[in-house]
Amino acid sequence: AQKITQTQPGMFVQEKEAVTLDCTYDTSDPSYGLFWYKQPSSGEMIFLIYQGSYDQQNATEGRYSLNFQKARKSANLVISASQLGDSAMYFCAMREGEAGGFKTIFGAGTRLFVKA
Amino acid sequence: EAGVTQFPSHSVIEKGQTVTLRCDPISGHDNLYWYRRVMGKEIKFLLHFVKESKQDESGMPNNRFLAERTGGTYSTLKVQPAELEDSGVYFCASSQVYQGFSGYTFGSGTRLTVV
Repeated sequence: AQKITQTQPGMFVQEKEAVTLDCTYDTSDPSYGLFWYKQPSSGEMIFLIYQGSYDQQNATEGRYSLNFQKARKSANLVISASQLGDSAMYFCAMREGEAGGFKTIFGAGTRLFVKA
Repeated sequence: EAGVTQFPSHSVIEKGQTVTLRCDPISGHDNLYWYRRVMGKEIKFLLHFVKESKQDESGMPNNRFLAERTGGTYSTLKVQPAELEDSGVYFCASSQVYQGFSGYTFGSGTRLTVV
């Protein structure tokens, strides 16, 4: 069964606007972590933000915030004030606790295009 | 500090040939992971080293793939013989923490094309 689902293969956003990239996950482990990574055209994978399953507040890192809705099992990434340099592939990932062997699994990714 | 380094960045080989990918993790990172992304699909786990030991190799697709991490420093991933379906981007990542939830540091990947 697919554990990380990113339903948007591609997204367009106007520069300076906000954009939400969707991610839903599936796990029975009560302890897990959720991550977002950015992959620009240069190929490297860049860690953006992390949310723990027991964290009460949504994670924020600069212009990135993670909209964590535990009951709905969603972990959407919100990028505020989009910049041209935000154009990239974005991957949602989940790392389960001991029950899942602390393995990190990834979604298929969403390609974001920021228009000038 | 230097990041995770992967070599080569690109490799084009013929079906049946052998290719060896190399990953140098961040110094001091005991945990080293190999992942690959095939044909635009999700990034899939291959295996995890803790120092020189294979902690989890459940994602290795078949016995044509051999990973080693002698001495617990750099790692190699050998594909022998390569098949067309092995084409994709192979990522290496490293981390200090195993049982926690820190983000990984990834290399830039090796794009493997089997023709």
